[in-house]
This record gives sequence, structure tokens and C-alpha cells, in this order.
Amino acid sequence: QQPVQSPQAVILREGEDAVINCSSSKALYSVHWYRQKHGEAPVFLMILLKGGEQKGHDKISASFNEKKQQSSLYLTASQLSYSGTYFCGTEITSTNAGKSTFGDGTTLTVKP
Amino acid sequence: EPEVTQTPSHQVTQMGQEVILRCVPISNHLYFYWYRQILGQKVEFLVSFYNNEISEKSEIFDDQFSVERPDGSNFTLKIRSTKLEDSAMYFCASSEATRSGNTIYFGEGSWLTVV
Repeated sequence: QQPVQSPQAVILREGEDAVINCSSSKALYSVHWYRQKHGEAPVFLMILLKGGEQKGHDKISASFNEKKQQSSLYLTASQLSYSGTYFCGTEITSTNAGKSTFGDGTTLTVKP
Repeated sequence: EPEVTQTPSHQVTQMGQEVILRCVPISNHLYFYWYRQILGQKVEFLVSFYNNEISEKSEIFDDQFSVERPDGSNFTLKIRSTKLEDSAMYFCASSEATRSGNTIYFGEGSWLTVV
């Protein structure tokens, strides 16, 4: 069963913050986040493992709440370059070897 | 920066024809993947490959699909008898080890159109 992402779309002004959520009805081993711009390949952002860790790089960070089976992606002080579709991928065991189930994506538009 | 390369970038094929999509993963990577993205839809996992065999595959990856690493550098996806619904962008990806904590590098994709 695929993870559910919310919201489906976000429109921001430069400098504003956004949170994108990814929820699963199944117990998860890992959650990974990607950004994809129109007509381009997905770009891996980060992976979070069971254990409730939080990761980040630059102004993009994420958390994984194991109890809620939910991950959140935080984008702070958004830049125009952040525009794109963000989607999460989930794996239910460590032996899945990449067998991910992806969410439908959240379209983020950052305006000047 | 090392990258995953895919060929062709776009292929048009007749329904029922065989198609081979090629990928050159990053040289020191050990895990290889194929994903599919139908236009306007989400990315879907097809198959993962490690140590010269399939590690995992999805329900989409039926008998008409196969993967191969014929020469130690290329990683191919073969679709034996294409159907209209196989039209999609096919992404190859690779990682250094398992996904756990490792960056997944995607190729630019091969756009397959079945007519």
C-alpha cells in the first residue's frame, strides 16, 4: 500500500517555509525523499531509518516518527530552486533491497 | 561528479516489439534499480539487482520484463513484447550499497513510446 502524502500542492513565496508529510499504514523500516523537476530525473534528498532519526542538509531537513509511521520534510526559507515535485518512498524491511513504494508527490511552487 | 547514464533517451516502438533499455551505473556501485514513471503519475519500482541476480521485484515486473548485466558495466532492461501501457519514462538508478543511508543516483531516464 502506497504512502499518503499531504498536502498535494503548496505555493510559497521565496523565504517562506513548508512542511510535507508522508504517512504509511504499515510499519516502516525507512523513508526516503526525492525532488523531481518537470521532465527531469528524481534527485535523492535523504533517507531516514527506523529509530526516529532526523536528518538535514542546507535548509531541507526531515524527521521520521516511527510510532506514527510518518515522515515530514521541512523546507525553510524556500528558494526558487526548491520548486518541483517532492515524493517519499517507503520500505517496510531492511531486506527489501530497494523495493520502494512511492507516494503520489507534493507539488511545490516557490514564487518570487 | 559520477553519474548514471542511460540510452536511448527516447525510443518509439511498435506494439509487440522487443525493447532493450541500457544503463551504465556508477562504477563502484553494487546495487542497481529500474523504475518506471507513466506520464503524470508517480514513480514505480520495477526491480533491484545485486550480485548478478534480482534482489526484489514488483508486481509490474512480470514475465515480459528481464534484466541483465551482460558485461560488468552495462545494466539492461528488456521488454519482450511491448504493450501500449508500457509507454513511460524508465529510470535506472544505482547505489553504493543498500539503500540504508546511501544515496541513490538516478539516470536521466529513457522515454519509451509504444505505438
